[in-house]
Order: sequence, then C-alpha cells, then structure tokens
Amino acid sequence: KAGVTQTPRYLIKTRGQQVTLSCSPISGHRSVSWYQQTPGQGLQFLFEYFSETQRNKGNFPGRFSGRQFSNSRSEMNVSTLELGDSALYLCASSLEQGRTGELFFGEGSRLTVL
Amino acid sequence: QKEVEQNSGPLSVPEGAIASLNCTYSDRVSQSFFWYRQYSGKSPELIMSIYSNGDKEDGRFTAQLNKASQYVSLLIRDSQPSDSATYLCAVKGGLDAGGTSYGKLTFGQGTILTVHP
Repeated sequence: KAGVTQTPRYLIKTRGQQVTLSCSPISGHRSVSWYQQTPGQGLQFLFEYFSETQRNKGNFPGRFSGRQFSNSRSEMNVSTLELGDSALYLCASSLEQGRTGELFFGEGSRLTVL
Repeated sequence: QKEVEQNSGPLSVPEGAIASLNCTYSDRVSQSFFWYRQYSGKSPELIMSIYSNGDKEDGRFTAQLNKASQYVSLLIRDSQPSDSATYLCAVKGGLDAGGTSYGKLTFGQGTILTVHP
C-alpha cells in the first residue's frame, strides 16, 4: 500500500512569492492534516481537512490556506512568503474511524525562502 | 505552560540498556496518545499509540499512560544504535459528539536519544 506522497520534496522561493504544496493521502484515508516543522518551534498544526471540509485550523496567519479535493488529495498554499516560512511542511493522513486517529506522515516538502 | 512537555534531552544510553522517555500534557480531555520516531532528515514515523490507562507493549517498546497524572511514557528495552533518533510525544483532543476524535495532534518538542555501542 502506497504511503502519503508529497510534492515537491524541495523548493526554493524568494520573499513575496507564493507556493503550493501537494499531498496524496494513503488510499482510503479521508482525513488530511498539515504541519509545519522548524528547529525552533517543532511540529505545529496548520489545518485538517475531512471530506473537503476544513475541520480545524491552527494558529497561523491567513497567508496559509489549504483545500481538499473529492479524491481526498490536498493542497496547501502560502502567499507572500516570508523568511520565517522556511520549514519542513508535513502532510499526514488518517483513516479516521472511531477514536484511533493515527496519523501517517509523508516525507515532507522542504521550503527555503530567500 | 506548554501543552505537551517531554523530558529534556539529549538522552544517551548504552546498547542493550532501557531508554525511558517521558511526556506530560495539560489538556485533561485528551483521549489519544502517540509516540513518533523521527530520524534526522526524515519524517515522523508512528511507533506506538495508546488510549487507555496502563501499559501497552509492542516488541521492545512499551507505552505507559496515566490519565490521572496526565503522563505518558515510552520504554525501549534492549536499546540498539538504530534506535538513535528524536522521539516525539503527541496528544490528540477529546471526542466529538459523534464519538470520533478528530482534530489536531499537539506535539512535544521531542527528546533526542542516542544509543552508543
């Protein structure tokens, strides 16, 4: 069974640009979450989608947005990039049945903002 | 107070020893608890999940949960150099009206474990 797939794996942008990251969840998983990981702040929750609806959102500015498609694939967008947006962006999918809620992470998209 | 706190590292143990990793959380309604392992340059990998008070064993790993004390731990027996990684404690919130537990995972800062030969 294929795991969570994220693209692109690495990207370099300059301040003010925008970026779109893509995530394909494990087949059959309907919940997709996004996390930002930095050395200083650790892993921080961005948002979660289930059946194309955003169910939960973390404490990030409106420059960070996302969406989920009918096939459960998800994208996140960051507009007007800042240096501090340099991070590893991780997508995780979950089967989301009952109370398990186990998340399985993709390899991440490493964003560098210059 | 941080929502999820892990014992400060780094933690260094000799090969074959027991490594003990600890985590406390602040939200009393938390229902689901996870331990992830993250190798340098890689993404977090789920190694244990625990939902009820007590111990849960899986091979060399044992997770322990005490909801009254808001404490969860991970023991790694017979530690191997390949266990050297950052271990992340993660906590998920309470149940919704439908009985499922959706929502964010809150992670601790992680404990760096080094197992030396």
